[in-house]
Amino acid sequence: GNSVTQMEGPVTLSEEAFLTINCTYTATGYPSLFWYVQYPGEGLQLLLKATKADDKGSNKGFEATYRKETTSFHLEKGSVQVSDSAVYFCALINTGTASKLTFGTGTRLQVTL
Amino acid sequence: EAGVTQFPSHSVIEKGQTVTLRCDPISGHDNLYWYRRVMGKEIKFLLHFVKESKQDESGMPNNRFLAERTGGTYSTLKVQPAELEDSGVYFCASQSGKNSPLHFGNGTRLTVT
Repeated sequence: GNSVTQMEGPVTLSEEAFLTINCTYTATGYPSLFWYVQYPGEGLQLLLKATKADDKGSNKGFEATYRKETTSFHLEKGSVQVSDSAVYFCALINTGTASKLTFGTGTRLQVTL
Repeated sequence: EAGVTQFPSHSVIEKGQTVTLRCDPISGHDNLYWYRRVMGKEIKFLLHFVKESKQDESGMPNNRFLAERTGGTYSTLKVQPAELEDSGVYFCASQSGKNSPLHFGNGTRLTVT
């Protein structure tokens, strides 16, 4: 079956630090990969996505590259801000499963001044 | 446009009681999904409606959970009787078409004591 594994948090960084949140997946076929973000008191928002191998998704300074050879989709940002404090979820949709997302456990990021 | 609305935002009930969660999708969105995040674990799929029909209910944990979407508009998720392990955050998402992005609500935090 499908599964997503992401690094456990919480991750605490100082403002302007470099961020990496690791995500690896297991899936049959050719899944699409996503990062969702949940800010405090809000719902899940799509942050970025990639639909095929070697695609790079990017948004708000965040990037992730779909690596089929390592089955990974690590989230990176060069310089985090306090406003990036949130819970980040890696997820996939496998082909033929409509939009049935398989999520990881989420990684809480806390950015301090 | 108004987003996906979930009500209540938070519910605290005793074991054995009944609770009904409601989701109002974005107007015109035929696809409606329920997901659940239990105690900091991964967000798991519960079920998928297309209009008023249950397309996929493979994620429903047991027969204490009943989801409805009468008329293909809003949806309710009833838990009867609630158990301690049902505590978590229940998310609803809607989608206009097969490859369109999912729009999530803010979730309902259910606490069973």
